[in-house]
Order: sequence, then structure tokens, then C-alpha cells
Amino acid sequence: KNQVEQSPQSLIILEGKNCTLQCNYTVSPFSNLRWYKQDTGRGPVSLTIMTFSENTKSNGRYTATLDADTKQSSLHITASQLSDSASYICVVAFNNAGNMLTFGGGTRLMVKP
Amino acid sequence: NAGVTQTPKFRILKIGQSMTLQCAQDMNHNYMYWYRQDPGMGLKLIYYSVGAGITDKGEVPNGYNVSRSTTEDFPLRLELAAPSQTSVYFCASSYPGTQGSEQFFGPGTRLTVL
Repeated sequence: KNQVEQSPQSLIILEGKNCTLQCNYTVSPFSNLRWYKQDTGRGPVSLTIMTFSENTKSNGRYTATLDADTKQSSLHITASQLSDSASYICVVAFNNAGNMLTFGGGTRLMVKP
Repeated sequence: NAGVTQTPKFRILKIGQSMTLQCAQDMNHNYMYWYRQDPGMGLKLIYYSVGAGITDKGEVPNGYNVSRSTTEDFPLRLELAAPSQTSVYFCASSYPGTQGSEQFFGPGTRLTVL
């Protein structure tokens, strides 16, 4: 069964600090891995999409890494801001077209002043 | 562009009632999807469509129906609401792509069945 596990479930950090969120997946076949940001009461918004051959991808202060051998990904947030408070969802696509997705349960991040 | 829009934002149903959740997109995307999100759980795919007139079941289709008569609209129908259908429903759309393209999500509909 395809699964995406994220850790930690929740995290509190102070504004300006860095943090790293983890994602482990058992999805086959693998097409791509995505990270989404979901603000409370809103729909998810894409941060990065990585294919099998990509090890790292950045989007501003967000940097995602992918190790396809160990089936692990991480999302690093640099110099956190209050607006980074949200849920971060790891998502893996498992079909050739890359549009059938398995979602993790998310990490809820709270950034405090 | 408005992107993906959903109505209503909130709804409370009694057991056995029916309703239609509306979804529309103005990005001319071929692919559209319906997901449900339960607290602490990952989104689950209910139904999807690769174009007008074509729909297919996702992971959790029981109790739901869809239609796709136009590229823009993809309504989700609940015929006999049950408490297990209490959830937040998200519609999404995307272009087709060989490695998958970004899915754009609507703001969601929060449904409570009592």
C-alpha cells in the first residue's frame, strides 16, 4: 500500500530560526515528489515538485531535498517568518502521468514572535 | 483569473439529505479532481476527470457521484448524506504533463452531516 509518513506532526519555532521537516514514503511506481503549504482554512499551495533525478530544489526560503534511494525527502525553511505558520504536506505521485497523488498527513508548523 | 472556485464554503446537512458541491476553474485545465481531507489525515482522492465527458473513480468514491459536462465545471454530488461524509472537500485542477504538473486547489467546502 502506498504510504507517506511525515515527522514531526507539529513543531513550534521562534521567528527567524530555521527548521527541517521530514518525509518518508513507500510509493510505487515513483513519479515525482511535491511539498505543499496549507494555511488554516485554505487549500494547499504547491511549493516544489521534484522528479526522480532531482536531489534538491529551492523556492525562496524553502529548500526541498530528495533521496530516491532511501525514499526520504526533507523541507528546510530558512529564517522563518510568522507567515510560515501553516501545515506542510509531502505528496508523492505514483503513476506515469504524475497526477495520481498519495498525501502525507502534514506537519503543523507554528512560528512564534 | 479566479483560479479554482468552490461553493458553498460551509454546509450542514441532515442524514439522508442530498447536495451538490460546486467547483469551477477558469485556467482551461483538462484535469480536475475532488479530494476529501479528514482531521490529521492526508487528502484522499474521490473522483477525477481528464476532460469533458470523462470521469473516473479515485480511492474513496462510495457515496459520491460526479459529472463533467464542460471543461470549466466539475460538480460533486452526495445523494444520501451520512455522518462519515463529514469532512473538508477540495477541488483541484491541472494541465496534463508527462511528469505531472502542479495541481491548483480551491479554498474548500467544510461539510458537516448530523
